[in-house]
Amino acid sequence: GAGVSQSPSNKVTEKGKDVELRCDPISGHTALYWYRQRLGQGLEFLIYFQGNSAPDKSGLPSDRFSAERTGESVSTLTIQRTQQEDSAVYLCASSLGQGQFTQYFGPGTRLLVL
Amino acid sequence: SQKIEQNSEALNIQEGKTATLTCNYTNYSPAYLQWYRQDPGRGPVFLLLIRENEKEKRKERLKVTFDTTLKQSLFHITASQPADSATYLCALDAQNAGNMLTFGGGTRLMVKP
Repeated sequence: GAGVSQSPSNKVTEKGKDVELRCDPISGHTALYWYRQRLGQGLEFLIYFQGNSAPDKSGLPSDRFSAERTGESVSTLTIQRTQQEDSAVYLCASSLGQGQFTQYFGPGTRLLVL
Repeated sequence: SQKIEQNSEALNIQEGKTATLTCNYTNYSPAYLQWYRQDPGRGPVFLLLIRENEKEKRKERLKVTFDTTLKQSLFHITASQPADSATYLCALDAQNAGNMLTFGGGTRLMVKP
C-alpha cells in the first residue's frame, strides 16, 4: 500500500526565499509529525498534528516556520526568509493516532539554502 | 532535564556476531519504547515496540529488553549481516503528549563481512 510521501525530494533555494514542503500521510492516519534532521544528527521534533489541529508547536525553531494541515490529509511546512542554517532533511511521519504509537516516515525533503 | 542517550560512536562488529546497542534515558517515565532503523538518505523505519510491563520482545533476529529500573533498553541483533549496517534510533513516548515520540540521536552499526 502507499506509504507517506513527501515533495519535493530535493530543494535548492537562495537565502531569503520562502519554501513550501509537502507531506501526504498514509490514508486514515490522524496524527502527523514534522521533524528536521541535520547532517549526521538525530531527529529534531518540529510540530505535531492530531487531525487538523496542532496541539504542540513547541519545536518550531522560529516564527519563520509554520505548518498547516488540511483535514486529516496533506500538510505543508513553510519556511519564510530561509537561512543557511535551515539546510537539513525535513522528515514527515504519520501514525494512526488513538493510542497507536508507531510512526511511519516519508523519504524526506532535502533542503539546501545557498 | 529529560535526556535520551545512545552511543554516538559507531559500533563495528564482524558478520555473524551479536550486535548490542544501548539506549539510556533520564527523567522519563515512558509507557513504551520503540526502536527504528535508518538507512542513509531515507526516513526511519519502525522495528519493534516494547511496553513498560514487558521485559523482553523478540522479532526474528532482533531482541529488545526494557529495564524501567535501570532506565535502559538494549537492542540485540543476532547472527548479524552486512545488510544490518544502518543507524538505529530509540524513541520514547513524550510524557503527557499523546502520540508524540522523542528520539535518541542514534547509533551507527557497521557489520563487516
